[in-house]
Amino acid sequence: EAQVTQNPRYLITVTGKKLTVTCSQNMNHEYMSWYRQDPGLGLRQIYYSMNVEVTDKGDVPEGYKVSRKEKRNFPLILESPSPNQTSLYFCASSFSGTSNQPQHFGDGTRLSIL
Amino acid sequence: GDSVTQMEGPVTLSEEAFLTINCTYTATGYPSLFWYVQYPGEGLQLLLKATKADDKGSNKGFEATYRKETTSFHLEKGSVQVSDSAVYFCALSDRSRNSGYALNFGKGTSLLVTP
Repeated sequence: EAQVTQNPRYLITVTGKKLTVTCSQNMNHEYMSWYRQDPGLGLRQIYYSMNVEVTDKGDVPEGYKVSRKEKRNFPLILESPSPNQTSLYFCASSFSGTSNQPQHFGDGTRLSIL
Repeated sequence: GDSVTQMEGPVTLSEEAFLTINCTYTATGYPSLFWYVQYPGEGLQLLLKATKADDKGSNKGFEATYRKETTSFHLEKGSVQVSDSAVYFCALSDRSRNSGYALNFGKGTSLLVTP
């Protein structure tokens, strides 16, 4: 089954403790992206990747890192999490980085930073 | 910059009622337009899309027409079911930025359909 898989689905942690949210897709998609969803603000893009070893900042990249060493994986790294990063995070992928390609979303990761 | 505005919810309808969720956009280029649906506890799923003016996207009884003259992409369904209860997001993507693209989302409209 074609899917985008995120782990963990839920995480409660403390300020400053490094964490990684994994994202994997099995559709051989070139383009991958991370979004955060916050009440009243909708979904905002954090980082994206057009292909392996190619990453770039989205609209809200501060406090986050990503890497794209393999086509299927695109982990999101919070080196020193802070409470303002408490949010619902979605990974997404699409066949290519062209505007008419729909993005496929994972089920989300709910992070709580205390 | 690009933006999407959709009607605020929540919208509550009785089963078999007609649904319209309004969506308007601003974009500097020639965007593609999407409707995504989010069921409780799940990620966003593509509902339908339109990539150029006058295109009509349709899926599962939902329809939306890309209207360039009114910069709108309203979502409609003739007869809603309880299982349509979800949050609906209008989105656009536009390659007007120098690199890559993102989906610009509206804030979402919550729909509750009662039996």
